[in-house]
Amino acid sequence: QSVLTQPPSASGTPGQRVTISCSGSSSNIEKNNVYWYQQFSGSAPKLLIYRSNQRPSGVPDRFSGSKSGTSASLAISGLRSEDEADYYCAAWDDSLSGRVFGGGTKLTVL
Amino acid sequence: EVQLVESGGGLVQPGGSLRLSCAASGFTFSDHYMDWVRQAPGKGLEWVGRTRNKAESYTTQYAASVKGRFTISRDDSENSLYLQMNSLKTEDTAVYYCARDVNTETHAPGYWGQGTLVTVSS
Repeated sequence: QSVLTQPPSASGTPGQRVTISCSGSSSNIEKNNVYWYQQFSGSAPKLLIYRSNQRPSGVPDRFSGSKSGTSASLAISGLRSEDEADYYCAAWDDSLSGRVFGGGTKLTVL
Repeated sequence: EVQLVESGGGLVQPGGSLRLSCAASGFTFSDHYMDWVRQAPGKGLEWVGRTRNKAESYTTQYAASVKGRFTISRDDSENSLYLQMNSLKTEDTAVYYCARDVNTETHAPGYWGQGTLVTVSS
Protein backbone atom coordinates (compact mmCIF):
# COMPACT_ATOMS: atom_id res chain seq x y z
CA GLN A 1 0.00 0.00 0.00
CA SER A 2 1.42 3.36 -1.03
CA VAL A 3 1.41 6.29 1.38
CA LEU A 4 -0.02 8.50 -1.37
CA THR A 5 -3.17 7.24 -3.06
CA GLN A 6 -3.75 7.53 -6.80
CA PRO A 7 -6.39 5.91 -8.98
CA PRO A 8 -4.81 2.94 -10.77
CA SER A 9 -6.15 4.05 -14.13
CA ALA A 10 -7.53 7.02 -16.01
CA SER A 11 -8.59 7.52 -19.58
CA GLY A 12 -9.74 10.13 -22.04
CA THR A 13 -10.15 10.83 -25.71
CA PRO A 14 -7.90 13.11 -27.76
CA GLY A 15 -8.52 16.76 -26.98
CA GLN A 16 -10.18 16.05 -23.64
CA ARG A 17 -9.07 17.28 -20.23
CA VAL A 18 -8.12 14.60 -17.72
CA THR A 19 -7.26 14.96 -14.06
CA ILE A 20 -5.35 12.52 -11.86
CA SER A 21 -5.73 12.81 -8.12
CA CYS A 22 -3.20 12.15 -5.37
CA SER A 23 -4.41 11.84 -1.80
CA GLY A 24 -2.10 12.09 1.18
CA SER A 25 -2.09 13.36 4.73
CA SER A 26 -1.01 16.15 7.02
CA SER A 27 2.51 14.75 7.21
CA ASN A 28 3.15 14.84 3.49
CA ILE A 29 1.03 16.72 0.95
CA GLU A 30 -0.46 19.23 3.38
CA LYS A 31 2.93 20.45 4.57
CA ASN A 32 5.20 19.81 1.60
CA ASN A 33 5.44 20.30 -2.12
CA VAL A 34 4.08 17.73 -4.54
CA TYR A 35 5.93 16.41 -7.56
CA TRP A 36 4.57 14.63 -10.61
CA TYR A 37 6.46 12.26 -12.86
CA GLN A 38 5.65 10.77 -16.24
CA GLN A 39 6.99 7.36 -17.14
CA PHE A 40 6.72 5.60 -20.48
CA SER A 41 7.01 1.84 -20.58
CA GLY A 42 10.64 0.75 -20.34
CA SER A 43 11.93 4.26 -19.69
CA ALA A 44 13.06 6.28 -16.70
CA PRO A 45 10.63 8.67 -15.01
CA LYS A 46 10.60 12.29 -16.15
CA LEU A 47 9.78 15.28 -13.96
CA LEU A 48 6.52 16.88 -15.05
CA ILE A 49 5.58 19.21 -12.18
CA TYR A 50 7.64 20.43 -9.24
CA ARG A 51 6.74 22.48 -6.18
CA SER A 52 3.11 21.45 -6.70
CA ASN A 53 2.44 23.68 -9.72
CA GLN A 54 5.71 24.54 -11.49
CA ARG A 55 6.63 23.16 -14.90
CA PRO A 56 10.24 22.45 -15.86
CA SER A 57 11.33 24.00 -19.09
CA GLY A 58 10.25 21.88 -22.02
CA VAL A 59 7.10 20.55 -20.37
CA PRO A 60 4.05 21.72 -22.35
CA ASP A 61 1.61 24.03 -20.60
CA ARG A 62 -1.07 21.40 -21.23
CA PHE A 63 0.20 19.89 -17.98
CA SER A 64 -0.67 21.65 -14.74
CA GLY A 65 -0.56 20.81 -11.06
CA SER A 66 -2.49 21.98 -8.04
CA LYS A 67 -2.68 21.24 -4.35
CA SER A 68 -5.31 21.77 -1.69
CA GLY A 69 -5.05 20.50 1.85
CA THR A 70 -4.04 16.86 1.83
CA SER A 71 -4.70 16.30 -1.87
CA ALA A 72 -3.10 17.22 -5.15
CA SER A 73 -4.05 16.90 -8.79
CA LEU A 74 -2.40 16.71 -12.16
CA ALA A 75 -4.45 18.04 -15.06
CA ILE A 76 -3.73 17.31 -18.68
CA SER A 77 -5.65 19.38 -21.20
CA GLY A 78 -5.83 18.84 -24.94
CA LEU A 79 -5.06 15.16 -24.43
CA ARG A 80 -2.81 13.57 -27.04
CA SER A 81 -2.02 9.97 -27.84
CA GLU A 82 1.59 10.54 -26.79
CA ASP A 83 0.41 11.34 -23.25
CA GLU A 84 -0.34 7.65 -22.74
CA ALA A 85 1.98 6.74 -19.87
CA ASP A 86 2.15 6.08 -16.14
CA TYR A 87 1.96 9.09 -13.83
CA TYR A 88 3.27 9.23 -10.27
CA CYS A 89 2.88 11.81 -7.53
CA ALA A 90 5.48 12.22 -4.78
CA ALA A 91 6.05 14.29 -1.67
CA TRP A 92 8.29 14.41 1.36
CA ASP A 93 6.76 12.82 4.45
CA ASP A 94 7.78 14.49 7.71
CA SER A 95 6.66 11.56 9.88
CA LEU A 96 8.60 8.99 7.86
CA SER A 97 11.50 11.37 7.15
CA GLY A 98 11.47 10.11 3.62
CA ARG A 99 10.03 10.67 0.18
CA VAL A 100 6.81 8.84 -0.62
CA PHE A 101 5.27 8.04 -3.97
CA GLY A 102 1.77 7.29 -5.12
CA GLY A 103 1.10 3.89 -6.60
CA GLY A 104 0.90 5.36 -10.10
CA THR A 105 -1.90 5.99 -12.56
CA LYS A 106 -1.92 4.41 -15.98
CA LEU A 107 -3.35 6.89 -18.46
CA THR A 108 -4.98 5.49 -21.57
CA VAL A 109 -5.85 7.69 -24.53
CA LEU A 110 -8.85 6.08 -26.21
CA GLU B 1 23.36 18.76 -20.00
CA VAL B 2 22.77 16.69 -16.88
CA GLN B 3 23.71 13.05 -17.42
CA LEU B 4 23.43 10.19 -14.96
CA VAL B 5 24.60 6.70 -15.84
CA GLU B 6 24.06 3.80 -13.45
CA SER B 7 26.05 0.60 -13.49
CA GLY B 8 26.75 -2.44 -11.34
CA GLY B 9 23.44 -4.24 -11.54
CA GLY B 10 23.17 -7.97 -12.01
CA LEU B 11 22.11 -11.26 -10.50
CA VAL B 12 22.92 -11.90 -6.85
CA GLN B 13 21.85 -14.58 -4.38
CA PRO B 14 19.70 -13.80 -1.35
CA GLY B 15 21.93 -12.65 1.48
CA GLY B 16 24.54 -11.38 -0.93
CA SER B 17 25.90 -7.91 -1.61
CA LEU B 18 26.14 -5.61 -4.58
CA ARG B 19 27.44 -2.10 -5.16
CA LEU B 20 25.79 0.18 -7.66
CA SER B 21 27.47 3.23 -9.15
CA CYS B 22 26.11 6.35 -10.78
CA ALA B 23 28.40 8.50 -12.91
CA ALA B 24 27.27 12.12 -13.09
CA SER B 25 28.21 14.85 -15.54
CA GLY B 26 27.02 18.21 -16.78
CA PHE B 27 26.72 19.91 -13.38
CA THR B 28 28.64 20.71 -10.19
CA PHE B 29 28.11 17.43 -8.41
CA SER B 30 28.98 18.60 -4.91
CA ASP B 31 26.20 21.22 -4.97
CA HIS B 32 23.39 18.73 -5.31
CA TYR B 33 21.37 16.20 -3.36
CA MET B 34 21.35 12.76 -4.93
CA ASP B 35 18.72 10.06 -4.50
CA TRP B 36 18.30 6.39 -5.25
CA VAL B 37 14.81 5.27 -6.30
CA ARG B 38 13.85 1.74 -7.28
CA GLN B 39 11.06 0.08 -9.21
CA ALA B 40 10.23 -3.60 -8.83
CA PRO B 41 9.10 -5.35 -12.03
CA GLY B 42 5.60 -4.19 -12.92
CA LYS B 43 5.35 -2.06 -9.79
CA GLY B 44 5.53 1.60 -8.83
CA LEU B 45 8.38 3.82 -7.73
CA GLU B 46 9.90 3.41 -4.27
CA TRP B 47 12.33 5.87 -2.70
CA VAL B 48 15.45 4.16 -1.35
CA GLY B 49 17.34 7.07 0.16
CA ARG B 50 19.39 10.18 -0.46
CA THR B 51 22.59 11.99 0.32
CA ARG B 52 22.60 15.71 0.88
CA ASN B 53 25.18 17.98 -0.69
CA LYS B 54 28.60 19.12 0.53
CA ALA B 55 27.17 22.22 2.20
CA GLU B 56 24.97 19.96 4.33
CA SER B 57 27.76 17.57 5.18
CA TYR B 58 26.62 14.76 2.89
CA THR B 59 24.14 13.50 5.47
CA THR B 60 22.05 10.53 4.40
CA GLN B 61 18.49 9.36 4.89
CA TYR B 62 16.97 5.96 4.08
CA ALA B 63 13.64 4.28 3.60
CA ALA B 64 12.68 1.97 6.45
CA SER B 65 12.74 -1.02 4.09
CA VAL B 66 16.48 -0.68 3.45
CA LYS B 67 17.80 1.05 6.56
CA GLY B 68 20.67 -0.88 8.11
CA ARG B 69 21.25 -2.90 4.93
CA PHE B 70 21.91 -0.24 2.27
CA THR B 71 24.47 2.56 2.40
CA ILE B 72 24.58 5.59 0.12
CA SER B 73 27.91 7.32 -0.44
CA ARG B 74 29.39 9.72 -2.92
CA ASP B 75 32.78 10.77 -4.22
CA ASP B 76 32.63 14.36 -5.38
CA SER B 77 36.13 14.17 -6.82
CA GLU B 78 34.87 11.43 -9.16
CA ASN B 79 31.37 12.88 -9.66
CA SER B 80 30.02 9.54 -8.56
CA LEU B 81 27.22 8.24 -6.37
CA TYR B 82 27.16 4.76 -4.87
CA LEU B 83 24.67 2.38 -3.32
CA GLN B 84 26.13 -0.46 -1.27
CA MET B 85 23.50 -3.14 -0.83
CA ASN B 86 24.04 -5.87 1.76
CA SER B 87 21.88 -8.71 3.05
CA LEU B 88 19.88 -8.61 -0.14
CA LYS B 89 16.40 -10.08 -0.21
CA THR B 90 14.30 -11.28 -3.13
CA GLU B 91 12.05 -8.26 -2.61
CA ASP B 92 14.99 -5.97 -3.43
CA THR B 93 14.73 -7.09 -7.05
CA ALA B 94 14.14 -3.91 -9.03
CA VAL B 95 15.49 -1.38 -11.47
CA TYR B 96 17.52 1.10 -9.45
CA TYR B 97 17.61 4.71 -10.60
CA CYS B 98 19.91 7.43 -9.40
CA ALA B 99 18.45 10.91 -9.52
CA ARG B 100 19.66 14.46 -9.01
CA ASP B 101 17.53 17.09 -7.34
CA VAL B 102 15.57 19.60 -9.41
CA ASN B 103 17.91 22.42 -8.40
CA THR B 104 19.89 23.56 -5.39
CA GLU B 105 16.74 24.86 -3.72
CA THR B 106 14.35 22.07 -4.65
CA HIS B 107 15.64 18.77 -3.41
CA ALA B 108 13.23 16.29 -4.93
CA PRO B 109 14.42 14.08 -7.81
CA GLY B 110 14.44 16.10 -11.01
CA TYR B 111 16.88 14.33 -13.32
CA TRP B 112 17.01 10.56 -13.63
CA GLY B 113 19.43 8.04 -14.99
CA GLN B 114 18.31 5.15 -17.18
CA GLY B 115 18.45 2.65 -14.33
CA THR B 116 20.26 -0.60 -13.65
CA LEU B 117 18.51 -3.92 -12.95
CA VAL B 118 19.24 -5.85 -9.77
CA THR B 119 17.88 -9.38 -9.55
CA VAL B 120 18.04 -11.19 -6.22
CA SER B 121 17.41 -14.87 -6.76
CA SER B 122 18.86 -18.26 -5.95
